[in-house]
Amino acid sequence: NAGVTQTPKFQVLKTGQSMTLQCAQDMNHNSMYWYRQDPGMGLRLIYYSASEGTTDKGEVPNGYNVSRLNKREFSLRLESAAPSQTSVYFCASKIQGATYTDTQYFGPGTRLTVL
Amino acid sequence: GDSVTQMEGPVTLSEEAFLTINCTYTATGYPSLFWYVQYPGEGLQLLLKATKADDKGSNKGFEATYRKETTSFHLEKGSVQVSDSAVYFCALSLMNYGGSQGNLIFGKGTKLSVKP
Repeated sequence: NAGVTQTPKFQVLKTGQSMTLQCAQDMNHNSMYWYRQDPGMGLRLIYYSASEGTTDKGEVPNGYNVSRLNKREFSLRLESAAPSQTSVYFCASKIQGATYTDTQYFGPGTRLTVL
Repeated sequence: GDSVTQMEGPVTLSEEAFLTINCTYTATGYPSLFWYVQYPGEGLQLLLKATKADDKGSNKGFEATYRKETTSFHLEKGSVQVSDSAVYFCALSLMNYGGSQGNLIFGKGTKLSVKP
């Protein structure tokens, strides 16, 4: 199993450009998450998908959109990138959204710089 | 609101020293508690967890005990190695948090550097 994979690993954008971060998991998990990690801030939840066909906002959703394409894939889109979106983005998945004791599994991250 | 507070780093220790990283939480219900570790250039991986009061999570020589009376989940290791150098995150998960069960709330992370 590859676990949780993310593409690309690195990306540089100019202000106003758009891009989509891709995430896929092969563990047959129901729930998927997008986080951003900023220095001194820990990880903050952007959006999540408790199950296929549903998505919900997290703590910092402004400037982002998501698509749960199928059970395996959950993408994050920046429509008009801003320097404040410079961050490291992590995707995670969990076996079942309704269980709060389960472990989340993280991808390797995408380092995004917006100039 | 619900939150996690960790001791600020960075923490620098010599090899074989004793490690404690403090973590306290505020939660409206009864959370599950987690420690995640992030090695340089990598994503987060679960180190250990505890799902109810007085549970002890352990892995790779690390331990943490879920203390409901002090709302704490401090991470300890008796003898650290250079390979333990990483950023450690304490996190909690609550039932019905944000309308969906199981979302994680993270502390800000503590960077540990172990010198030979």
